[in-house]
Order: sequence, then structure tokens, then C-alpha cells
Amino acid sequence: QKEVEQNSGPLSVPEGAIASLNCTYSDRGSQSFFWYRQYSGKSPELIMSIYSNGDKEDGRFTAQLNKASQYVSLLIRDSQPSDSATYLCAVKGWAGGGNKLTFGTGTQLKVEL
Amino acid sequence: DTGVSQDPRHKITKRGQNVTFRCDPISEHNRLYWYRQTLGQGPEFLTYFQNEAQLEKSRLLSDRFSAERPKGSFSTLEIQRTEQGDSAMYLCASDGGPSTDTQYFGPGTRLTVL
Repeated sequence: QKEVEQNSGPLSVPEGAIASLNCTYSDRGSQSFFWYRQYSGKSPELIMSIYSNGDKEDGRFTAQLNKASQYVSLLIRDSQPSDSATYLCAVKGWAGGGNKLTFGTGTQLKVEL
Repeated sequence: DTGVSQDPRHKITKRGQNVTFRCDPISEHNRLYWYRQTLGQGPEFLTYFQNEAQLEKSRLLSDRFSAERPKGSFSTLEIQRTEQGDSAMYLCASDGGPSTDTQYFGPGTRLTVL
């Protein structure tokens, strides 16, 4: 079982729709959760971090965390063609140690006109 | 805040040669990380420093890889006797500022081993 799992996609949504990206993780002790966006040939760019169960909203983006289910999601409202990219879910460490990020393989999102 | 910088951005080398990459973190960040990313995969952790101390190394980091952060500022990653399997994007990230444990990534160094 991979430590962080994402559907590789591609996930295709029409412009203006809601894109829903999902991620599961195996380490119950994980404390911090991040979503990064990566355009082809570029480095990861932080979109959001989330630490507590529930929802966290930032503009068109909403991150959702459910630690009991070991599940993190990212919703993108009013999707735009510029949102087309690979979205990486990353999980940090566990209580008492470990600052490294463990990434999923990423979900490729395509927003179609 | 100029962000994380990496040099060079691209490196093409022949198998068996040594290469060295440099990373300059965000100035107030005391933690610096190296990751490697291959096509279709997420970044994989290699090693990290807190100030000048190297605190963790991945099993991915073979004896041919060495990293340093001698004065707690910039870091170098050296790969000796490169192999074709070393071809990848090498990413540097930093965190540890006063208000965040969020890692910010540099632009990466793309290594091609012929």
C-alpha cells in the first residue's frame, strides 16, 4: 500500500464546473496536509495547507480533511483553463518527528473550454 | 523575499561524471530539503537539514549522493559517477520561518544523464 494515494487521472471538467480531487493516506499519525499545483515542467506551488478536520476555504479552493477516514480532498469551484495542471497531495510526518513531505503521484486535471 | 533559488536549472552530463547542484533557501528559513522527481511521479524525499545539521536521509540516497549545508545557508547536492537512472528533476524546498511549516519549492534542476 502506498503511503499517499491519488487517482492519476486525467480528470476532465468543463470550464465553470467544480473539480474534486481526492487523496488517501496510510499513516494515522500524520499531522499536516498540503495541496500543491504543478504545471508541466515546473516545480510544485503551494495551494493550501490543512491541519484540522473539516473544511478550509481560500478563494475558489476548499480543502477537506477527515482524519478518521484518512482522507483529504480539494475542491476547485468555477474551474478555469488555467487550473489545468497536476495536483499533488502531500502529507507531513507524525507526532514526535519527521519533517519530510510524502507525496502522492498527483492527479492531472484538465479544464475544457 | 526572493524565494528559493536553484542553480543550474538544467544539466546534461555523461554517465560516470560528477555533478553538483546548489540551492539557496528563503533567507529566514532554517530547514532545507532535497527531493527528486521523475516523470509521472510525485517528489520523493532525499534529505533535509536544520541549519547546518543533516537530520534525515532517505534510503534512496545512495553512497554516490552527498549533500552539505556548511554554514546553514545554501546547500549543495553532489552526485558522483552519475548513472542514467539519476536523470530526474532535483527539487529544493525550505521552511522553518517564524509562522509556517509550509515548504516552498525552488524551480528545480533538471538532470539528464546520457
